[in-house]
Amino acid sequence: GAGVSQSPSNKVTEKGKDVELRCDPISGHTALYWYRQSLGQGLEFLIYFQGNSAPDKSGLPSDRFSAERTGGSVSTLTIQRTQQEDSAVYLCASSLAPRTGMNTEAFFGQGTRLTVV
Amino acid sequence: DAKTTQPPSMDCAEGRAANLPCNHSTISGNEYVYWYRQIHSQGPQYIIHGLKNNETNEMASLIITEDRKSSTLILPHATLRDTAVYYCIVRPRGTTDSWGKLQFGAGTQVVVTP
Repeated sequence: GAGVSQSPSNKVTEKGKDVELRCDPISGHTALYWYRQSLGQGLEFLIYFQGNSAPDKSGLPSDRFSAERTGGSVSTLTIQRTQQEDSAVYLCASSLAPRTGMNTEAFFGQGTRLTVV
Repeated sequence: DAKTTQPPSMDCAEGRAANLPCNHSTISGNEYVYWYRQIHSQGPQYIIHGLKNNETNEMASLIITEDRKSSTLILPHATLRDTAVYYCIVRPRGTTDSWGKLQFGAGTQVVVTP
């Protein structure tokens, strides 16, 4: 596609339910990132994929959060047993792979607004 | 923790140049300076990046000090659509595991007024 696509754009779920958020990166982009942004706050790094592997999972806030990427393309962020503090906008970005001496910018999707009630 | 510091807010008159400062005093020789902005309710948008030379593109200019400890993003003729939060981040070159961890700080809220 022309840009990073995220679905759903909005999700309301009941506390304790599991949710899956999807990110479809720009074709050919092997690097994929997940962030979340609470209301009025900055971007909080969650996880980064290079291909199907995740060199850096340090930002996942708890073991209720997991992410996978298969086929080097689409990624799914799963939140189990959602809590009210999980309410935020979840942003995905993608970029070309890092190469020594080169830098590539990350392109962001419009995000999924998650509300846990 | 973000490796950059920026003023929390800045006002700019429409049509005037906006100069956004950023301190990155602990930047290392293998790190780039990147600028992004986030317009309300949208995902962040890449603006420009640089290593040590000044850079210019259709959106902005980036001035990096000789010691690379600070930089300034210049929006030459600010418009109302430039109202956004502007983020300055540093990012390592090349293939390191930390390459993907873009550290966004609080950014600068820029308000362009008529």
